Amino acid sequence: QSALTQPASVSGSPGQSITISCAGTSSDVGGYDYVSWYQQHPGKAPKVMIYDISYRPSGVSNRFSGSKSGNTASLTISGLQAEDEADYYCASFTSINTWVFGGGTKVTVL
Amino acid sequence: QVQLQESGPGLVKSSQTLSLTCTVSGASVNSGGHYWTWIRQHPGKGLEWIGYMYSSGTTYYNPSLKSRIAISVDTSRNLFSLRLTSVTAADTAVYYCASWPIHWGQGTLVIVSS
Repeated sequence: QSALTQPASVSGSPGQSITISCAGTSSDVGGYDYVSWYQQHPGKAPKVMIYDISYRPSGVSNRFSGSKSGNTASLTISGLQAEDEADYYCASFTSINTWVFGGGTKVTVL
Repeated sequence: QVQLQESGPGLVKSSQTLSLTCTVSGASVNSGGHYWTWIRQHPGKGLEWIGYMYSSGTTYYNPSLKSRIAISVDTSRNLFSLRLTSVTAADTAVYYCASWPIHWGQGTLVIVSS
């Protein structure tokens, strides 16, 4: 199974909105509504920000939102804050009942 | 709130078997609706999904690791385990357990030495 494709880096100024893409195929992202997004700060465990395309777990800021169009899922962070600077990973269910991660995106707050 | 904690040896010799356990609190490993999952992260790299066991006992593994891994559940101790055989330096990583996709442990670093 091939890793999903994410941009290596995305940056934005405080208060701006940014979007991270996660490109897959019809055998993963495009075929199921099971995409999760994880935030990881250096030295810390990943934290789920979005699951099942667009659902936010309790306690996650509503500045984080998820969507999907075709074979590409997206994570949007609105009202960018310094604390949002981290690595972000997408993960998708696949046609062989496994999961696959994206390569990760480093978000920089300018 | 489901909480998970990984444990196991931090150092394993090359060609040996890596065994890790994940102790679960706040949920029963017997209860339905949980995907007991292992994920790893090589130093400075991205995340790699290893595999999971559904509450029914069915397992699914990463095809690239399938021949070397086994995930099992110990209901008496409310934990689940990962066994990875014939390890090499390429298996050096931080290993995370999770009740996929939401609840994750803090991770444990495993170094494979020659």
